[in-house]
Amino acid sequence: QQQVKQSPQSLIVQKGGISIINCAYENTAFDYFPWYQQFPGKGPALLIAIRPDVSEKKEGRFTISFNKSAKQFSLHIMDSQPGDSATYFCAAIPQHSSNTGKLIFGQGTTLQVKP
Amino acid sequence: NAGVMQNPRHLVRRRGQEARLRCSPMKGHSHVYWYRQLPEEGLKFMVYLQKENIIDESGMPKERFSAEFPKEGPSILRIQQVVRGDSAAYFCASSPPNRVGETQYFGPGTRLLVL
Repeated sequence: QQQVKQSPQSLIVQKGGISIINCAYENTAFDYFPWYQQFPGKGPALLIAIRPDVSEKKEGRFTISFNKSAKQFSLHIMDSQPGDSATYFCAAIPQHSSNTGKLIFGQGTTLQVKP
Repeated sequence: NAGVMQNPRHLVRRRGQEARLRCSPMKGHSHVYWYRQLPEEGLKFMVYLQKENIIDESGMPKERFSAEFPKEGPSILRIQQVVRGDSAAYFCASSPPNRVGETQYFGPGTRLLVL
């Protein structure tokens, strides 16, 4: 069964701190790893994504770290702000679904950044 | 350029009734995905459609659920004889033809409540 496991389920960080969310996958090969941000009552929005041939990707305050051998990837939010408070989902597209884009999502992490 | 539109935003049905959820993709997008989000869970892939074709329905329940994306008009997710377990948020996403899958833009979702 294709699975992406995400932790922690919830996270509280002080303003200016670093938020770290981890994901791990098993049992299958994936070739695309996006992260989505979802605010209450809204649909998920693509935040940043990485391919397995790259170990790190940075966009502004958001960084993805990817460890192919460990089958793990993580999102780091530097200088976290109250406006970053949202639910974050990691996701992956299986190699055999790369031409269709079937996203396998993690369970989500609810981030609260305290002022 | 309007984003992905879904309607209704909220839908209340009694057990045994039918639910019809509509999704209008972004302009120029010919690929539509449907995902279901149960409370406190991540999104689960249901179906991937192109105009007039179902490409991947591996996430669709075997009974009561159907989807279509006609040549003209929105994509429809239809749930017949709804049960309480169908209560969830249903999200539609669309992709442009030249970036299938990896670039999925999500709509705001339809919250279905079955009484």
